[in-house]
Amino acid sequence: DIVLTQSPVLAVSLGQRATISCRASQSVSISSINLMHWYQQKPGQQPKLLIYRASNLASGIPARFSGSGSGTDFTLTIDPVQADDIAAYYCQQSRESPPTFGGGTKLELK
Amino acid sequence: EVQLQESGPGLVKPSQSLSLTCSVTGYSITSNYWGWIRKFPGNKMEWMGYISYSGSTSYNPSLKSRISITRDTSKNQFFLQLNSVTTEDTATYYCARADPKRTGFDYWGQGVMVTVSS
Repeated sequence: DIVLTQSPVLAVSLGQRATISCRASQSVSISSINLMHWYQQKPGQQPKLLIYRASNLASGIPARFSGSGSGTDFTLTIDPVQADDIAAYYCQQSRESPPTFGGGTKLELK
Repeated sequence: EVQLQESGPGLVKPSQSLSLTCSVTGYSITSNYWGWIRKFPGNKMEWMGYISYSGSTSYNPSLKSRISITRDTSKNQFFLQLNSVTTEDTATYYCARADPKRTGFDYWGQGVMVTVSS
């Protein structure tokens, strides 16, 4: 299985930029298609798709969220961070079956 | 609007079977892929399997001998059965929709917490 590694916690100030990283144990790209996706999850709620295929904003997601990366290294950026963004963020790959998730990064206020 | 809703018992005894239903509204399950994902205490998430628009299934090898996903297209529902559960199957179970183009899980149910305990 492809293992996705995320830092457990990131502390950020409101109005600043948050950069959340995800590293895969092997490439999750096929040609120019990067099969990495990002989700936000708040306590008591289901995960919400933010970014698909590394850099595409999902429907209804604010433009302060963006994604980048290829191969094994991917980044989710939130700029500027708002109070409503305090949540856990998960990466997920669909390059190989089984689809796997990172352990999550909890975004906290500094 | 696409909506998914899980239902089923919140408590299952060890060695018994866990059975959950996902009811879908606003979209036919004869399109796309429909999966089950669980989140353990401690936040690890695991894809369990899916049933496709055609009724074919794919399962996580870690569960292959215990899991079955089926569907009832007339009711627009799909189902999870997990056999021989242990306390390690205690988790929040989500159903979700995925696109064959591999663009992530774009719609999720609210989740149902299932505890395995005697």
